[in-house]
Amino acid sequence: EVQLEESGGGLVQPGGSLRLSCAASGFTFSSYSMNWVRQAPGKGLEWVSYISSSSSTIYYADSVKGRFTISRDNAENSLYLHMNSLRAEDTAVYYCVRDLYGDYGSVFDIWGQGTLVTVSS
Amino acid sequence: DIQMTQSPSSLSASVGDRVTITCRASQSISSYLNWYQQKPGKAPKLLIYGASSLQSGVPPRISGSGSGTDFTLTISSLQPEDFATYYCQQSYSTPTFGQGTKVEIK
Repeated sequence: EVQLEESGGGLVQPGGSLRLSCAASGFTFSSYSMNWVRQAPGKGLEWVSYISSSSSTIYYADSVKGRFTISRDNAENSLYLHMNSLRAEDTAVYYCVRDLYGDYGSVFDIWGQGTLVTVSS
Repeated sequence: DIQMTQSPSSLSASVGDRVTITCRASQSISSYLNWYQQKPGKAPKLLIYGASSLQSGVPPRISGSGSGTDFTLTISSLQPEDFATYYCQQSYSTPTFGQGTKVEIK
């Protein structure tokens, strides 16, 4: 079964740091681009970051650029999001998402269950 | 960034109704438009990609159409499991989502 499982969320103070992890299984992780997408409580979906299969191409939303870093370890079938200088507006459920990137651009076909990040003092 | 606007923001419908949700892009995105369904407390699920291609496992009562700036998601006969929030997403450039359309039981 194709699965993505996030971990690492929790409560952090403003200005703090956190590292999210995503463990992939059931598919050839190294063949797929991956993304992080977040959803603030009661709000809509916001794309956060993209990384290509070989890590050669990386993109960030303007709202997190310079503060967040996406990375992956294909040997460990894992995706990461390092988050620094966290703000209250970063409070959200963070989803690890597989990307079919191809003829139709970034299509998000497999989603993890999400991990909640709460930034509060 | 390309802005995506969905309408309506919410709607009430009955089982068996035909439901249509519209998504408009702030500039032409060709057919780079995808639709997702999200139920409370769950992750989104891909329904439609490339404006009209049905994702594997999605029932054929769900369909998508459109190109350029105007797109539509149609559920031909609403079923109990279809009550959820639906999001469009453009994949022409840096991904952006519509604000969502909540489909509620009348």
